[in-house]
Amino acid sequence: EDQVTQSPEALRLQEGESSSLNCSYTVSGLRGLFWYRQDPGKGPEFLFTLYSAGEEKEKERLKATLTKKESFLHITAPKPEDSATYLCAVQMNTGNQFYFGTGTSLTVIP
Amino acid sequence: DTEVTQTPKHLVMGMTNKKSLKCEQHMGHRAMYWYKQKAKKPPELMFVYSYEKLSINESVPSRFSPECPNSSLLNLHLHALQPEDSALYLCASSQSGQGFLDTQYFGPGTRLTVL
Repeated sequence: EDQVTQSPEALRLQEGESSSLNCSYTVSGLRGLFWYRQDPGKGPEFLFTLYSAGEEKEKERLKATLTKKESFLHITAPKPEDSATYLCAVQMNTGNQFYFGTGTSLTVIP
Repeated sequence: DTEVTQTPKHLVMGMTNKKSLKCEQHMGHRAMYWYKQKAKKPPELMFVYSYEKLSINESVPSRFSPECPNSSLLNLHLHALQPEDSALYLCASSQSGQGFLDTQYFGPGTRLTVL
């Protein structure tokens, strides 16, 4: 069965305390994996697209990596404004639908 | 520019009302999507339009009726909704929707409350 799982469900960090969020997937035929940031009551904001194992992408304090079974979103020296829910989604070779993980709620404390 | 706009931002309606949600994009994207999102849950796909044709309906009740008048516009017509339909309704668009690595860009959503 195709599945996308994110961990942890919630994460509290002190400002400046680096950490990683995990997105693991068991799908057959991955076309791409996507990371989004979502603030409460707003639409998801696109962060990264990854499509091959070993790929890495960076944006400010965020770095996304991809292996054959999982993706990590590394947050370096986070700030309170990084507080949000981070969603990963996978797109399979069989269609254009996204399958979302349940998200990680990140809180960064000043 | 990766902007998807949605109107209205908030909507309160009774169970007997008829209302519509509107979504617009001017990125030349040919695939558009409706999602429903409940609090603390990920978005759930409702409908996909690809090249203005409905390509996916995820077994959504008929009280939700999508319409794609042209490649830039997507509507969701609502009729006889139930209180459990209260949620954030998200629209998204992507370049092709057909066989390609296809990033979806989301609008800000419409917060719907059904009384």
